[in-house]
Amino acid sequence: NAGVTQTPKFQVLKTGQSMTLQCAQDMNHNSMYWYRQDPGMGLRLIYYSASEGTTDKGEVPNGYNVSRLNKREFSLRLESAAPSQTSVYFCASSPRYGTDTQYFGPGTRLTVL
Amino acid sequence: GDSVTQMEGPVTLSEEAFLTINCTYTATGYPSLFWYVQYPGEGLQLLLKATKADDKGSNKGFEATYRKETTSFHLEKGSVQVSDSAVYFCALRETSYDKVIFGPGTSLSVIP
Repeated sequence: NAGVTQTPKFQVLKTGQSMTLQCAQDMNHNSMYWYRQDPGMGLRLIYYSASEGTTDKGEVPNGYNVSRLNKREFSLRLESAAPSQTSVYFCASSPRYGTDTQYFGPGTRLTVL
Repeated sequence: GDSVTQMEGPVTLSEEAFLTINCTYTATGYPSLFWYVQYPGEGLQLLLKATKADDKGSNKGFEATYRKETTSFHLEKGSVQVSDSAVYFCALRETSYDKVIFGPGTSLSVIP
């Protein structure tokens, strides 16, 4: 099992460009999450999908959109990237929303110039 | 709101030294508490957890006890190894709304 996979691993964008971060899990989990990790801030929840067909805002949703494409895949889109979105982005999944353990992907390091 | 505070480090220890990483929390209810570990270039992995007061979580030689009276969940290991070099995150899940809140992470480097 691959667990949670994310693409790309690294990305550099110019201000105003758009891109989509991809995430997939092969554990048949119902819930998926997008976090950003910034120095001194820990992980902050951007969006989550409690189950296929639903998405909800987390703590820091501004500037992002998400799509739960199917049970396996949950993508994060930056429509017009800003330097403040320079961060490491992690996707995670869990068997259902509210269970204790989340399983994380390896992360995408994004730099916006 | 709920929050998690932990020493940010970086912490540098020699191999076989004793490790303590402090974690305290603020929560309105009765949260579950966790330690996650992030090895270089990887995502976070659950290291251990405790779901109620006085529970002790343990894994890979690491331990942490849920102390409600001091709202703490300090991580300890008796003898660290170079392979323990990683970033350690304390986290809580408030049962009333299920969101997981992470601390800022503590970077640990263990030198031979």
